[in-house]
Amino acid sequence: NAGVTQTPKFQVLKTGQSMTLQCAQDMNHEYMSWYRQDPGMGLRLIHYSVGAGITDQGEVPNGYNVSRSTTEDFPLRLLSAAPSQTSVYFCASSSTGLGYNEQFFGPGTRLTVL
Amino acid sequence: SQQGEEDPQALSIQEGENATMNCSYKTSINNLQWYRQNSGRGLVHLILIRSNEREKHSGRLRVTLDTSKKSSSLLITASRAADTASYFCATDDPYGNKLVFGAGTILRVKS
Repeated sequence: NAGVTQTPKFQVLKTGQSMTLQCAQDMNHEYMSWYRQDPGMGLRLIHYSVGAGITDQGEVPNGYNVSRSTTEDFPLRLLSAAPSQTSVYFCASSSTGLGYNEQFFGPGTRLTVL
Repeated sequence: SQQGEEDPQALSIQEGENATMNCSYKTSINNLQWYRQNSGRGLVHLILIRSNEREKHSGRLRVTLDTSKKSSSLLITASRAADTASYFCATDDPYGNKLVFGAGTILRVKS
């Protein structure tokens, strides 16, 4: 099993550009989530999904969109990139609710917005 | 806002010594988890302790939970250079749908 995969590993955008961060898992997990990690801080939840077709907002959802059309994929879209979105983004999945079981994390995408 | 806060922010010890990290949180929880993050990598789950448990062991790891004080501690015994990493505690919301991470403790184990 590949586990949780994320692409790209690195990305540089200009302010105002849009892009999609890809996340896929092959463990048939229902729960998937996106976090951002900024220097000196823990991870902050952006959006999460409890199953295909169901998404909800986390702590810092503004400027990001998600959709979940399949169990395997959970892409994160930046609509109009801003320098404040420079961060490392992690996708995670778990078999049950986020707090009830371990989460499996992807390797991360390092995003810089100029 | 962050639910869990780790203490200390950074810890430097010699190989073979024990390392203790603490986590405090604000609201009642169902579960508390600890994760490790090596530099430039994703997080790896270490241990989950439920609110009705007081102590849990996994190899060289020992986690305690005191719900009356809203605090948890992670003890790593006989530390190794490979234990050098950041350690995060994470707590859930009442519905178990969200996980909130603290800012982490940076552990450096010197060989």
